[in-house]
Amino acid sequence: DGGITQSPKYLFRKEGQNVTLSCEQNLNHDAMYWYRQDPGQGLRLIYYSQIVNDFQKGDIAEGYSVSREKKESFPLTVTSAQKNPTAFYLCASTRGGNQPQHFGDGTRLSIL
Amino acid sequence: AQKITQTQPGMFVQEKEAVTLDCTYDTSDQSYGLFWYKQPSSGEMIFLIYQGSYDEQNATEGRYSLNFQKARKSANLVISASQLGDSAMYFCAMYRYNQGGKLIFGQGTELSVKP
Repeated sequence: DGGITQSPKYLFRKEGQNVTLSCEQNLNHDAMYWYRQDPGQGLRLIYYSQIVNDFQKGDIAEGYSVSREKKESFPLTVTSAQKNPTAFYLCASTRGGNQPQHFGDGTRLSIL
Repeated sequence: AQKITQTQPGMFVQEKEAVTLDCTYDTSDQSYGLFWYKQPSSGEMIFLIYQGSYDEQNATEGRYSLNFQKARKSANLVISASQLGDSAMYFCAMYRYNQGGKLIFGQGTELSVKP
């Protein structure tokens, strides 16, 4: 079945450490997105990519980095510059246009 | 500025009754779309329904319908015949054309269905 796989499901970060969240899709979608969700809040866009080897900052990109070397993969790195990384991270993809975004199951990131 | 407002942090509904979740939006765009997503406690986001700004008919998908009032800039979700499995967070989101497919989300409404 086609879908989006995020891993790991839970992740713990130590002070000063960079961590990478994985997002893989087999839907053959061109566009991919990373969102952050804080408790009781809506989703906020971190980064998005409409095509391989190209990506744009969203509303809260500071302290995060991404790459898009393959169509099916869009990993997110939470750097040590992100001082408040504890949140639920969701990856999404879409064929484009006004097609609905399909989401992964998310990764919960906490600070040790 | 583009914005989505969901004014109901929490809602209760009796099983088998209908419920309306409110969503208002602010945009100066002529072309846009409105999505509703469901987020169960497990965390995944499930697409429910979509309405384009030029669609003349209100969208319907099974027990879900969207009450779209363009002049009022509202796009309320109506769930008919509520089921216990409908208990979840519900998010309204706006899509802007020519903006890379980005979605702007509201704060969400937590719906609890009582038996």
